[in-house]
Amino acid sequence: GENVEQHPSTLSVQEGDSAVIKCTYSDSASNYFPWYKQELGKRPQLIIDIRSNVGEKKDQRIAVTLNKTAKHFSLHITETQPEDSAVYFCAASPGGFKTIFGAGTRLFVKA
Amino acid sequence: DVKVTQSSRYLVKRTGEKVFLECVQDMDHENMFWYRQDPGLGLRLIYFSYDVKMKEKGDIPEGYSVSREKKERFSLILESASTNQTSMYLCASSRGQGRETQYFGPGTRLLVL
Repeated sequence: GENVEQHPSTLSVQEGDSAVIKCTYSDSASNYFPWYKQELGKRPQLIIDIRSNVGEKKDQRIAVTLNKTAKHFSLHITETQPEDSAVYFCAASPGGFKTIFGAGTRLFVKA
Repeated sequence: DVKVTQSSRYLVKRTGEKVFLECVQDMDHENMFWYRQDPGLGLRLIYFSYDVKMKEKGDIPEGYSVSREKKERFSLILESASTNQTSMYLCASSRGQGRETQYFGPGTRLLVL
């Protein structure tokens, strides 16, 4: 069935370093790939998304890349700051109403 | 600003009780969703609704039912709560048909004893 795998499950970086989270999806019909950030005790919120007609999208320190042939996409955070510490979820939507979420990556940014 | 609210932040119930979790959104969104969030498992879809009185099963519907009598309100019902339903429950809403941002509620942490 539809599946999204996310790696790593935990990531610890030094403040100022870059962080990369990778996801693969199984349904080749997926055409929308959002990323959500969930801070401790708070609700998930969209931070960036990419659609299948685009290979890369950037928003300040955050970028997402998509490789449809390999069915994987990645989140890149540059110049990490302590406030980037959170759980990040990737997701894939094959159209329709469903969105399949990855298991999440807990990012720790050490000051 | 989209607002999604859930009726309770924390809930403690006993095994066998009927439990109602309510979600309300104020942005006239067509779609509403119920997820449960467990460590290491991400967000798993229980049920969703794309219109009033319409509902579709998600990936883990067993033991749950839903109700959507009004566009802004989506209820999750645990007919007979069990300990394995102890979890964080998140409601979300979105507009349109796919490829749209989901806006989440604050979550309800349910403990079933």
